[in-house]
Amino acid sequence: LAKTTQPISMDSYEGQEVNITCSHNNIATNDYITWYQQFPSQGPRFIIQGYKTKVTNEVASLFIPADRKSSTLSLPRVSLSDTAVYYCLVGDFDMDSSYKLIFGSGTRLLVRP
Amino acid sequence: NAGVTQTPKFQVLKTGQSMTLQCAQDMNHEYMSWYRQDPGMGLRLIHYSVGAGITDQGEVPNGYNVSRSTTEDFPLRLLSAAPSQTSVYFCASSYSGLAGRFGYEQYFGPGTRLTVT
Repeated sequence: LAKTTQPISMDSYEGQEVNITCSHNNIATNDYITWYQQFPSQGPRFIIQGYKTKVTNEVASLFIPADRKSSTLSLPRVSLSDTAVYYCLVGDFDMDSSYKLIFGSGTRLLVRP
Repeated sequence: NAGVTQTPKFQVLKTGQSMTLQCAQDMNHEYMSWYRQDPGMGLRLIHYSVGAGITDQGEVPNGYNVSRSTTEDFPLRLLSAAPSQTSVYFCASSYSGLAGRFGYEQYFGPGTRLTVT
């Protein structure tokens, strides 16, 4: 199965831009890369997804290089409320041909005042 | 839309007891899944369903049963609770099981915190 690798934790200060990079060497050619955010005691929440190049929405940007072996989630001007765990997800077909989304361990982002 | 709902929010069981965690969604999603999350860890897939009447095992299925008699509901049964099953359980749903392939979002419930003593 495809595997994702992210930094375990990151620290930042309010107002800074934060970039979290995820590597996914075995991603299938046609699959999307999806990022989720999880606050303590809550279920993960979708942030952004992309297939290639750059995607931007109201909360984040996602940069995907041409080889698609990594992706970078960019959070502009973070605030204290952005303190959370961020997961990068890719999918893959298991040995029984079933398709599964893979959660890695995530990156714990701490935003300080 | 209520989205994905889970009951109960908290549960304490003794070793050997059985119980059912409830999950329901009102978005007419075909794909539903159960994950467990241990402290400081990511989510691991327990079981999933690609439609009513169809279920399959995920990464950590042992000790759990599922069934899917309707599109809306996907209960998770603990057959004989063990302390190793102490965890937070999340139910999720999506338009398709190929969410990553076609870019469909997964919606998660608020979780059930289970403690087995």
